[in-house]
Amino acid sequence: EPEVTQTPSHQVTQMGQEVILRCVPISNHLYFYWYRQILGQKVEFLVSFYNNEISEKSEIFDDQFSVERPDGSNFTLKIRSTKLEDSAMYFCASSLDSGANVLTFGAGSRLTVL
Amino acid sequence: AQKITQTQPGMFVQEKEAVTLDCTYDTSDQSYGLFWYKQPSSGEMIFLIYQGSYDEQNATEGRYSLNFQKARKSANLVISASQLGDSAMYFCAMRVPPDSNYQLIWGAGTKLIIKP
Repeated sequence: EPEVTQTPSHQVTQMGQEVILRCVPISNHLYFYWYRQILGQKVEFLVSFYNNEISEKSEIFDDQFSVERPDGSNFTLKIRSTKLEDSAMYFCASSLDSGANVLTFGAGSRLTVL
Repeated sequence: AQKITQTQPGMFVQEKEAVTLDCTYDTSDQSYGLFWYKQPSSGEMIFLIYQGSYDEQNATEGRYSLNFQKARKSANLVISASQLGDSAMYFCAMRVPPDSNYQLIWGAGTKLIIKP
């Protein structure tokens, strides 16, 4: 069954460092998303991406965050200068189209900022 | 304001029993979609079931069914014949409107533990 893959599964970084989380969405999917889940809290929407541009973003997704689809298969989330409060599980997801009923999630990347 | 409420932070259920996980939602939109996801201890988010606001029948997927009561704005997940592997966090989520970009609004989750 097709799946969304994410790397790394866990990353530990020092505050102020740049982090790139990588995702390979399902190959025929056109819409890509990042969500995050701070430990013990609700899942929160960060950003959606279509046709090589951001289509929607939340207030969490400030200037420290950026997304890119550099090569037609990878979809990356960059955090420019990590803060302690960026520690969370980051989920990548993809869907075939914006009307699809199923959003397929990856296994998540756990980011720990020290 | 759009909101998902899951009032059961945790539940213990005996193996093979049926279990109902509660979810209520709040939206003024007439068109919306409701989802349940399972998150095992390994952390991944697994899609279980979807219900559209205009679907007349309750959604079913194997042992999962969604008890959709539109007037009460509830979308409870029913797991029949629970198994040990059902132990996980369960999240209810809503997409409003369903044809927009995918911005899901999530509940706080219910931790389900199946006892042997």
